[in-house]
Amino acid sequence: AQSVTQLGSHVSVSEGALVLLRCNYSSSVPPYLFWYVQYPNQGLQLLLKYTSAATLVKGINGFEAEFKKSETSFHLTKPSAHMSDAAEYFCAVSAPSGGYQKVTFGTGTKLQVIP
Amino acid sequence: EAQVTQNPRYLITVTGKKLTVTCSQNMNHEYMSWYRQDPGLGLRQIYYSMNVEVTDKGDVPEGYKVSRKEKRNFPLILESPSPNQTSLYFCASSLRGTGEYEQYFGPGTRLTVT
Repeated sequence: AQSVTQLGSHVSVSEGALVLLRCNYSSSVPPYLFWYVQYPNQGLQLLLKYTSAATLVKGINGFEAEFKKSETSFHLTKPSAHMSDAAEYFCAVSAPSGGYQKVTFGTGTKLQVIP
Repeated sequence: EAQVTQNPRYLITVTGKKLTVTCSQNMNHEYMSWYRQDPGLGLRQIYYSMNVEVTDKGDVPEGYKVSRKEKRNFPLILESPSPNQTSLYFCASSLRGTGEYEQYFGPGTRLTVT
């Protein structure tokens, strides 16, 4: 069975500081990996995805993530935090399970950006 | 505009009163899914549909029903709601259910069952 672990339910950073949100996954086969962002009172929207091409994936709003198979990680980073980055971030893994592609979401990390 | 719509956005109901939350997408997507979001638990899949007339249970299907009679619509039915179904519900769609396609989410429906 696949799973996703997001370390830290809440992360606070100062405006302009590095953002690092951690995601570790387990999967018996090479997975597809996603990061989604949820702004208050909205649905989730895709930040970036890994689908077995380049291991360093660039997404919207200056975010990027690196797929590290040896560490089973897909951490999300942004060099300089903006106030507008305050939101909840979800990591998700998609892998075959019982004849279909099952998507499993992490429990989310709320990012607070301090002025 | 490509989008997933859900109605209603907010709903307060009483235990046992049947309700339906509608979901519609205008992107001709094959795959649709329902999730519930609860604090500390992230998103958990309720039901999904790979295409018209093809539906299956997700991780937390008890107390819910779905149907997929048309490609664009995927309603969620609670035949006899209970307080433990109070939650934030999201409908999502993707081009196909083969895993590499991102999901597009609706704005959410906040349901309270008293």
